[in-house]
Amino acid sequence: DTEVTQTPKHLVMGMTNKKSLKCEQHMGHRAMYWYKQKAKKPPELMFVYSYEKLSINESVPSRFSPECPNSSLLNLHLHALQPEDSALYLCASSPNPYGGGNTEAFFGQGTRLTVV
Amino acid sequence: GENVEQHPSTLSVQEGDSAVIKCTYSDSASNYFPWYKQELGKRPQLIIDIRSNVGEKKDQRIAVTLNKTAKHFSLHITETQPEDSAVYFCAASDGGATNKLIFGTGTLLAVQP
Repeated sequence: DTEVTQTPKHLVMGMTNKKSLKCEQHMGHRAMYWYKQKAKKPPELMFVYSYEKLSINESVPSRFSPECPNSSLLNLHLHALQPEDSALYLCASSPNPYGGGNTEAFFGQGTRLTVV
Repeated sequence: GENVEQHPSTLSVQEGDSAVIKCTYSDSASNYFPWYKQELGKRPQLIIDIRSNVGEKKDQRIAVTLNKTAKHFSLHITETQPEDSAVYFCAASDGGATNKLIFGTGTLLAVQP
């Protein structure tokens, strides 16, 4: 399996809802990432997990809560979001968090989130 | 922190022509430079990458060059085809403890048949 799989593909949620985005990879990658992408903009890093531990939080509001239950799974818990949080949320993984030769990041197909 | 600039923001070429997209980076510690292609509504896909110990890398119709002294790198696509039409992002990473990728602003490439 050489893919990063994200569910759901689309999500519409109200500002008082709680929802979760899921990401899964079975490539043995030990770094996993959440990115946010607005239309016509580059992906913007939110969180980095290295060996299942949170290593970077790019000053993301607490209404976004990441979780890495094991080396294959990454979740993003959403609560009390704002309409401006509507975007494509991309998960990615890469083989080795500590650089070296294998630093390719592979992206999932994303979850298109709409907050109403 | 790292800052990556990318030019041009849009590029229109005729089918069969070449396309060149250029990026500059600010952090001399960056040592890994991937290029991603993103078609409308789809995921970014890695198309080619280069590491700082190499000056040029080629894969069929695409090539990337790196000038470490000037801190810039470029994507070259030859014999462009309509299916090359997409947004292209360059990125830079120091490959350190976080392997944090910083993306350029993107180039919308349109290949006219």
